[in-house]
Amino acid sequence: GAVVSQHPSWVICKSGTSVKIECRSLDFQATTMFWYRQFPKQSLMLMATSNEGSKATYEQGVEKDKFLINHASLTLSTLTVTSAHPEDSSFYICSPQQGAYGYTFGSGTRLTVV
Amino acid sequence: GESVGLHLPTLSVQEGDNSIINCAYSNSASDYFIWYKQESGKGPQFIIDIRSNMDKRQGQRVTVLLNKTVKHLSLQIAATQPGDSAVYFCAERWAAGNKLTFGGGTRVLVKP
Repeated sequence: GAVVSQHPSWVICKSGTSVKIECRSLDFQATTMFWYRQFPKQSLMLMATSNEGSKATYEQGVEKDKFLINHASLTLSTLTVTSAHPEDSSFYICSPQQGAYGYTFGSGTRLTVV
Repeated sequence: GESVGLHLPTLSVQEGDNSIINCAYSNSASDYFIWYKQESGKGPQFIIDIRSNMDKRQGQRVTVLLNKTVKHLSLQIAATQPGDSAVYFCAERWAAGNKLTFGGGTRVLVKP
């Protein structure tokens, strides 16, 4: 159980364009979704927390208008990086929560902005 | 634990030996702790967890120890194998919230 599907696994986009990353929990319902960003050789940094049907809560320093999170259903959440710039190049990872102790992770999306 | 800079601590271990990875966590009120393994280009993979009302938990070839007095968490891997080569992260959950905070990570290199 606890299968997570994250797509795409990698994407290259031009500066100024937007990119959407999709995260699905395939065999469970996730009332809470976490989105992380990870730069090379660094740890995971939480960007935002979203609950199904509610607005996301962003961590300090994360621009909510730049990183749009949609959590419209219990099995799907999306992260859209708007007007991407090279400094947004990173590894983005979703984490749907299953129950009180089920912190699962997607396989990650490598975003490169050129 | 706060994320550290660009240099990940590295533990080199001979195949077949035991590995011990340490983590200092930040919040004495944390109630849940998890160890994750991350291979290059992949998401974190759950290894083992422990709740704050315990001080030791064992899995298959892995043991987690929790010392709340000094806010220290360790992961022991028995008979380390080449497939254990990866970056290992500890994560804590603050009792007052729901989100995880990750430590800086340790790279484990298994020498044949």
